[in-house]
Amino acid sequence: GAVVSQHPSRVICKSGTSVKIECRSLDFQATTMFWYRQFPKQSLMLMATSNEGSKATYEQGVEKDKFLINHASLTLSTLTVTSAHPEDSSFYICSARPGTGAREKLFFGSGTQLSVL
Amino acid sequence: GESVGLHLPTLSVQEGDNSIINCAYSNSASDYFIWYKQESGKGPQFIIDIRSNMDKRQGQRVTVLLNKTVKHLSLQIAATQPGDSAVYFCAETSNTGFQKLVFGTGTRLLVSP
Repeated sequence: GAVVSQHPSRVICKSGTSVKIECRSLDFQATTMFWYRQFPKQSLMLMATSNEGSKATYEQGVEKDKFLINHASLTLSTLTVTSAHPEDSSFYICSARPGTGAREKLFFGSGTQLSVL
Repeated sequence: GESVGLHLPTLSVQEGDNSIINCAYSNSASDYFIWYKQESGKGPQFIIDIRSNMDKRQGQRVTVLLNKTVKHLSLQIAATQPGDSAVYFCAETSNTGFQKLVFGTGTRLLVSP
């Protein structure tokens, strides 16, 4: 089956630093990737939709200048949390969809646990 | 729609029992639904999906029921096993825009041996 690789799986950083999370589709091309955020004991909240070669589309309430998304190729999207603060500590998950047009199952990465000290 | 919540509801069952997990969705335009299983510290894992032109779909040990009239979805797990213990989310999407997937609040399933 399709595989989505997310890296790193866990990162601890100091407040004020930036952290980059990578999401790769290993065996398929993903025109669209999605970034989610999940707080403990809560559901996944969609942050943004990442489209290859164009600007990401952010959900209401998500700061685009804080959460920078780059989808430079059909197999890689990155999420950069800029000037991270403790309230940004969360589990970040990416997903990717193979193909275009018709809906297919989304494949999820294994998530990145971000802890900001 | 978008889910918010401080606590996940929990369903506790005995091994071998049948489990039923419910989900209410909010978008009348949603026409494709998926159930996911999430274990601690991992990404969601696909279980089963259903399109809005169906009201029931069966997989291996799992059945999804869809009631569009009341915007309700359920996941039935037969002969629940300890390995089924996890958090279960329903998700909905419509065939518009980026077809983004919106997750429900989730239910924690605890299976006792």
